[in-house]
Amino acid sequence: DAGVTQSPTHLIKTRGQQVTLRCSPKSGHDTVSWYQQALGQGPQFIFQYYEEEERQRGNFPDRFSGHQFPNYSSELNVNALLLGDSALYLCASSLSRDGYSNQPQHFGDGTRLSIL
Amino acid sequence: AQSVTQPDIHITVSEGASLELRCNYSYGATPYLFWYVQSPGQGLQLLLKYFSGDTLVQGIKGFEAEFKRSQSSFNLRKPSVHWSDAAEYFCAVAPLRGGYNKLIFGAGTRLAVHP
Repeated sequence: DAGVTQSPTHLIKTRGQQVTLRCSPKSGHDTVSWYQQALGQGPQFIFQYYEEEERQRGNFPDRFSGHQFPNYSSELNVNALLLGDSALYLCASSLSRDGYSNQPQHFGDGTRLSIL
Repeated sequence: AQSVTQPDIHITVSEGASLELRCNYSYGATPYLFWYVQSPGQGLQLLLKYFSGDTLVQGIKGFEAEFKRSQSSFNLRKPSVHWSDAAEYFCAVAPLRGGYNKLIFGAGTRLAVHP
């Protein structure tokens, strides 16, 4: 039973560029959440996707966008990269019941994004 | 505002000693409560969760946590620490309902274990 998988594992970009990170949820999960974890800090919620729509968003600018595909996999896109976007980006999946997701989230190993 | 506080940034214990990691939360109502562990270069692994019922919950790897409503606390404990427990530990909360399980994390406690 495959867990949450993320690609790539590491990425180096320069300021102003755009990046796409990918996530495949755990088998049987239909909800994907994205988190940003800066060095030495706890993860911060970016947004959550369910039924191919963004249903909740944290305090992140519009430069951060996402997508969920019919197979429940997801992408995180960041435009106009800033030095402060350097972080570990974590994807988490869960199962929603009756439209709510009250099940524990399972995390991938993350994508380490470095901005030069 | 919803928040999670982990007062101890760094804790060092000897192998075989007991461990308690503190977590306090600020929330309008009792939320779902979680403890996650993160080894270097890896994602987060769920140790245990509290949704309702018995306030003492058992998790994986011999960990347990106790929910105390009066103190808004959810402290993690282990009676005897192993060297492999060295990692970063995160306490997190999520809304009881209607919040789509958005997790709010504390800043983490880094645990070092001396042989």
